[in-house]
Amino acid sequence: GAGVSQSPSNKVTEKGKDVELRCDPISGHTALYWYRQSLGQGLEFLIYFQGNSAPDKSGLPSDRFSAERTGGSVSTLTIQRTQQEDSAVYLCASSLVGTSGNQETQYFGPGTRLLVL
Amino acid sequence: AQTVTQSQPEMSVQEAETVTLSCTYDTSESDYYLFWYKQPPSRQMILVIRQEAYKQQNATENRFSVNFQKAAKSFSLKISDSQLGDAAMYFCAYRSYSNDMRFGAGTRLTVKP
Repeated sequence: GAGVSQSPSNKVTEKGKDVELRCDPISGHTALYWYRQSLGQGLEFLIYFQGNSAPDKSGLPSDRFSAERTGGSVSTLTIQRTQQEDSAVYLCASSLVGTSGNQETQYFGPGTRLLVL
Repeated sequence: AQTVTQSQPEMSVQEAETVTLSCTYDTSESDYYLFWYKQPPSRQMILVIRQEAYKQQNATENRFSVNFQKAAKSFSLKISDSQLGDAAMYFCAYRSYSNDMRFGAGTRLTVKP
């Protein structure tokens, strides 16, 4: 596809259930970010993947949150035992990495709106 | 750690007029990137403009331009000839060369017809 895609676009779940959010980055983009955006707030960094390097997980708020990136492409963000405070929009972004190792501009997906009841 | 501050939670502008959105940041690095992103109600984050810190010339993209003051660590966005479609949340963002990216809390822009 032409852009970053995310699925589902909306997810409603019950407290205590596990959820999986998917991100398909732009083809060829080796860098992938997950962010969380709570209602009316800015973006909170969660996790960053770059090629085959170990991911930067420094933004994950608790051990209930985890993410994988298979084959250097699609990524899945998993939230276990969801809590009401997990309700937010989860945004994914991808970018190229330049020859100097620096990222180019990040392009964002449309996000997944998660509501935990 | 780098921080990005947008001191205006909300701004409004009359259609066809000019508005400036403020952004300041804190960093000890000398080289970095700055961005303005727009987020309309559709939630899609759209890159508006990008500035490399080593460039003295202010970036411009059609009706959008920035006033980059490196010494003051200020990066404001000017929107000229405002259009109804410019109504959105605007986020200022900082990215270091180590790829650490930080966003401000956002400014909600309303355009009045």
